[in-house]
Amino acid sequence: KQEVTQIPAALSVPEGENLVLNCSFTDSAIYNLQWFRQDPGKGLTSLLLIQSSQREQTSGRLNASLDKSSGRSTLYIAASQPGDSATYLCAVKNNAGNMLTFGGGTRLMVKP
Amino acid sequence: EAQVTQNPRYLITVTGKKLTVTCSQNMNHEYMSWYRQDPGLGLRQIYYSMNVEVTDKGDVPEGYKVSRKEKRNFPLILESPSPNQTSLYFCASSFPRGVKFFGPGTRLTVL
Repeated sequence: KQEVTQIPAALSVPEGENLVLNCSFTDSAIYNLQWFRQDPGKGLTSLLLIQSSQREQTSGRLNASLDKSSGRSTLYIAASQPGDSATYLCAVKNNAGNMLTFGGGTRLMVKP
Repeated sequence: EAQVTQNPRYLITVTGKKLTVTCSQNMNHEYMSWYRQDPGLGLRQIYYSMNVEVTDKGDVPEGYKVSRKEKRNFPLILESPSPNQTSLYFCASSFPRGVKFFGPGTRLTVL
């Protein structure tokens, strides 16, 4: 059974820092991996989707990488801003079936 | 505007009183699913549907039912709610294995 882990569970950084959020998964037979942002009490907003054949995806200040063989993905946030404060979740879809397995999330606080 | 809508957004009910949470999407997505989110347990999939009249269990289906009679709607039914079903519920939709779009969530409290 796929297991997805995100470390750290919480992170506090000063504004302007570049930072990396980590996501690891146990079963490398994935179809794709998606990073989401969740604001308190709100729904999830998709940030980036990486197909298994891709190594990275970029959107603005965000860059997500995928290393299937090692079971890892990273989300890089450049020049962090207080508005980036939220919980970031990664989710993996396996080749078999249609299940989406989520990590526990990293709660990010960017201080002005 | 492309979106997934859920109703109600907040619901307080009592044990055993049947309820339905509706979910609707306007993007013509084939795939729809329901999740619950609980502190310390994260997001867990309850049920999913790959198309009309095709549904399957996720990780935590006990105590829930779903139906998919139309492509745009995927209601979640709790026939006899219990306090352990108090949670934040999310509906999501996508094209097969594409970007998932989530609804705003339904906060359910069962007393």
